[in-house]
Order: sequence, then structure tokens, then C-alpha cells
Amino acid sequence: AQTVTQSQPEMSVQEAETVTLSCTYDTSESDYYLFWYKQPPSRQMILVIRQEAYKQQNATENRFSVNFQKAAKSFSLKISDSQLGDAAMYFCAYRSKDMRFGAGTRLTVKP
Amino acid sequence: SAVISQKPSRDICQRGTSLTIQCQVDSQVTMMFWYRQQPGQSLTLIATANQGSEATYESGFVIDKFPISRPNLTFSTLTVSNMSPEDSSIYLCSVAGGWGMNTEAFFGQGTRLTVV
Repeated sequence: AQTVTQSQPEMSVQEAETVTLSCTYDTSESDYYLFWYKQPPSRQMILVIRQEAYKQQNATENRFSVNFQKAAKSFSLKISDSQLGDAAMYFCAYRSKDMRFGAGTRLTVKP
Repeated sequence: SAVISQKPSRDICQRGTSLTIQCQVDSQVTMMFWYRQQPGQSLTLIATANQGSEATYESGFVIDKFPISRPNLTFSTLTVSNMSPEDSSIYLCSVAGGWGMNTEAFFGQGTRLTVV
């Protein structure tokens, strides 16, 4: 079974600084996708970024980028120039057939 | 993309009763998923509901407790049966655009259920 592990229950960052959220996963499959979702207090799940496992190049979306290490089964999210609106729960997710989520990291942004 | 309407957004129910949650999608989708999320915690997959077939339940979840209907490609319901306070949680409907793994999952805004 696939498992997703987020070892940081909470993280804090100063506004305009950079923060990295960690995620590891366990799978025996070779073809899969990885996602980071953001969940603000509104409960709406918002896609932040996705990574195809067959691509070596790390995905980037504006201030958000990932460090994907397939051999190590690691998929961390880097948020640059943090903004107050980035404060939320962040979930790492793995998808082959269905989607599995990590436990989440609560990010606080300090002004 | 897909827009999901989930009803009700919240409810307070008496123990021993049942609640049916509806999930309506603005486009036809193949795969629909139901998740449970305890406050401040992760999403746990309850079951996968594909149109025209029986729902597939994850370990720890059974059809008698969480019956699911999927009558067409735009609609599904999840019923929480014979509720107890332990069923208090947020229930989320999710859809994927197709069989391709690269399709992101879209989510409803969830149903916050409190059982008293």
C-alpha cells in the first residue's frame, strides 16, 4: 500500500522569507503523480503544484517549487517570498489510481 | 476543471439517525471519491465510486455503515448510517477528470457533521 508521510505537523515562516515543507512516500509502483494541496480555513482544497514521477525536472509554479528525489522517494515543497495568504494546512498527496494524503503541515506566516 | 456542489454544508444530527450527503458535479466525471477528515487532520479515503459499478471501500469502512450511490456521471451520495459521536467529522466529495493519473482531484467544500 502507498503511504505518504509529512513529518512536520507545524511550520512557521517570516513574511517574505522562504520555507520548505517535507514529504516522503512509499510505493512499489514506477508510474505515479505527486501533488501539494493547500487547505485554508474555508476547507476548500486548492492545488498548489503537481509533479510527474517520470520527469526529472522539478515542477515550479511562481513562488512554489518542489524538490523531487525519486530514488529517495522525497517530494518537498519550497515556498519563496512567503505571504500572509500562504498560511494554511498543506497536504502532500500521491496518486496512482486513487489519491492518498499525508497528515498535513500547518504553516503559519508571521508579519 | 470541475465545480462540485456538496450538500449540506453542515448538520447536527442525533445519534442513531442517518444523514445523506449529496455531491453534484458540473461535468461528467469517471471517478468520484469520498473522504473523511477529522478537524485538523488529514483526509482518509472512505471509498471510490465509479458509475455503473459497486463502490470500492477502503479498509475500516463498510457498505452497511457508509452506503454510496452513483446513479450517473455527475452525481453521488454518501449516507452515514446509525450515527454515533465518533462519526462527527468533515466529509468531502472529490472527483478526478479521468483515468489519467496526472489529472488533479477537485474537491467539494465538505460537509461538517456533528453527532450529538
